Amino acid sequence: SYELTQPPSVSVSPGQTARITCSGDELPNQFAYWYRQKPGQAPVLVIYKDIQRPSGIPERFSGSRSGTTVTLTISGVQAEDEAEYYCQSADSRGAYVFGTGTKVTVL
Amino acid sequence: EVHLVESGGGLVQPGGSLRLSCAASGFTFSSYAMSWVRQAPGKGLEWVSSISGSTGSTYYTDSVRGRFTISRDNFKNTLYLQMNSLRAEDTAVYYCAKDQALFNGMDVWGQGTTVTVFS
Repeated sequence: SYELTQPPSVSVSPGQTARITCSGDELPNQFAYWYRQKPGQAPVLVIYKDIQRPSGIPERFSGSRSGTTVTLTISGVQAEDEAEYYCQSADSRGAYVFGTGTKVTVL
Repeated sequence: EVHLVESGGGLVQPGGSLRLSCAASGFTFSSYAMSWVRQAPGKGLEWVSSISGSTGSTYYTDSVRGRFTISRDNFKNTLYLQMNSLRAEDTAVYYCAKDQALFNGMDVWGQGTTVTVFS
């Protein structure tokens, strides 16, 4: 089955930049989406269609893609950004797939 | 304000059944695809099923196809997930979510309802 691979963890100091990658063979053919999930809470959409930011999401969140990899970048990381982040896409059969998740730790 | 509220979770023995509901408000329910996503304890997110807004076309992950049925009542603004032949590995928090468009990301999520399958 189709898989999206993320690094298990990323650590960053406040004010620095966090980059979270997501790799998958079908990513060149499908949009990517990113979600933030804090403990005990439902996920929140932070990036859609690769680079778009929903209303209410801070400008420090941005998305990009290159080939089979998409990247979520958090510029000027704040303590409140500590959370689990998941990428998501769809496959050609008509199914969603989530990435393995990345725990962002703010040092 | 857009709002999704799940209900129907609980404890069930292997082989049993449960029906989850998701009450929607604040948007034109019939115009949007809807999805169920689950999260097992300490694990990541797993897509379970989606249903289109108007035609009611349905889609399932392989592990639940034939056991789970997604449906919707556009008059009651409610999404359902009928879960039969439940297994221990179905234990999870189940979230309903509103799709921006079918297979184009989920922009609104409920708070989830917990399903525990135990023997």
